[in-house]
Amino acid sequence: AQKITQTQPGMFVQEKEAVTLDCTYDTSDQSYGLFWYKQPSSGEMIFLIYQGSYDEQNATEGRYSLNFQKARKSANLVISASQLGDSAMYFCAMRLWDRDDKIIFGKGTRLHILP
Amino acid sequence: KAGVTQTPRYLIKTRGQQVTLSCSPISGHRSVSWYQQTPGQGLQFLFEYFSETQRNKGNFPGRFSGRQFSNSRSEMNVSTLELGDSALYLCASRLGRANTEAFFGQGTRLTVV
Repeated sequence: AQKITQTQPGMFVQEKEAVTLDCTYDTSDQSYGLFWYKQPSSGEMIFLIYQGSYDEQNATEGRYSLNFQKARKSANLVISASQLGDSAMYFCAMRLWDRDDKIIFGKGTRLHILP
Repeated sequence: KAGVTQTPRYLIKTRGQQVTLSCSPISGHRSVSWYQQTPGQGLQFLFEYFSETQRNKGNFPGRFSGRQFSNSRSEMNVSTLELGDSALYLCASRLGRANTEAFFGQGTRLTVV
């Protein structure tokens, strides 16, 4: 069965520190994509970063990087130099390209950045 | 360019009623998908439309239905509302089927009383 697991329901991090949000996934499919989204209190989901299952290099987008370990089926999000505006809910998601792009979300991690 | 627009933003309905939510995708985007978000179940996929055809459906009862128009705008309908249908309903659009990034709207907060 396809599944996304985010084991950290909540995290508190000091401003300017780096933070790692955990995500593990389960699928037997070979072709899939892994996403991270940020959801502030306004409700809108904001795309952060994408990693394809065949991508050999870890994805990076500004302060965001995705630590992709395929053998361990993990896709952790790393935020460098955290800012107060990073306080939000973070969701890891997997899209299965051979199953009509079916998408599965994790339960999310609520990140609190402390001043 | 304008983002994904969902209307209305907030809605209160009573049990047994029906509701229609609207989603206007980013101009040029042909794929629209719908999600239900609740504290208990998290984010769950409802369905996705591409070029007016439903191409994927989540595990929701038949009371949940949708459609997409020729201009790519989409509507979602929930009939015979139940208290458990109270949720944030999110819509997302993508440029095409193979495109990776989905852009979300701010959602419609539905409360069923």
